[in-house]
Amino acid sequence: EDQVTQSPEALRLQEGESSSLNCSYTVSGLRGLFWYRQDPGKGPEFLFTLYSAGEEKEKERLKATLTKKESFLHITAPKPEDSATYLCAVQGYKAAGNKLTFGGGTRVLVKP
Amino acid sequence: DSGVTQTPKHLITATGQRVTLRCSPRSGDLSVYWYQQSLDQGLQFLIQYYNGEERAKGNILERFSAQQFPDLHSELNLSSLELGDSALYFCASQLTSGLGETQYFGPGTRLLVL
Repeated sequence: EDQVTQSPEALRLQEGESSSLNCSYTVSGLRGLFWYRQDPGKGPEFLFTLYSAGEEKEKERLKATLTKKESFLHITAPKPEDSATYLCAVQGYKAAGNKLTFGGGTRVLVKP
Repeated sequence: DSGVTQTPKHLITATGQRVTLRCSPRSGDLSVYWYQQSLDQGLQFLIQYYNGEERAKGNILERFSAQQFPDLHSELNLSSLELGDSALYFCASQLTSGLGETQYFGPGTRLLVL
């Protein structure tokens, strides 16, 4: 069964202090690794999809990378508006109905 | 705004009752997924529909059921509600049912069972 573990559970950063979030996964044939951002009480907002090891994608202050066992979400010079929970999810070849399997998320708080 | 809509936004009900949650997918999307998010379990897949037909079931209780209508909107029915059913319920839509496609999530329905 597909599994996703995210670390750390929570991260407190000063504005401008860059950091990285980790997503470790086991999956029976990766078809996609997805990053979402979720604000309290809101639905997950799509950020990136990565398909193969070595792939990287960037959007503003966020950069996602992928290896065969883990993915990192790098936050460069974060601002308070980057405060949110970041969710990682995988989709494997054998996923029932192509479902996403989510990790527990990393809660990021950026203080001004 | 993902383009996925869900109603109602909040729902408060009592144990033993039945409720219906509604989801309208993004224009053109044929697949609808339902997920449950609770504090201790995270986001868990419940069920998927594609173009009106059930495609896959996840950790969905027998007390729960869903359907997708010809206009592609979907409803999740929760019956004989228990305190532990209190959670956020999200609907997500996807263009087809293909692997690797992005699932876009709605704003969710917060269910509180008292």
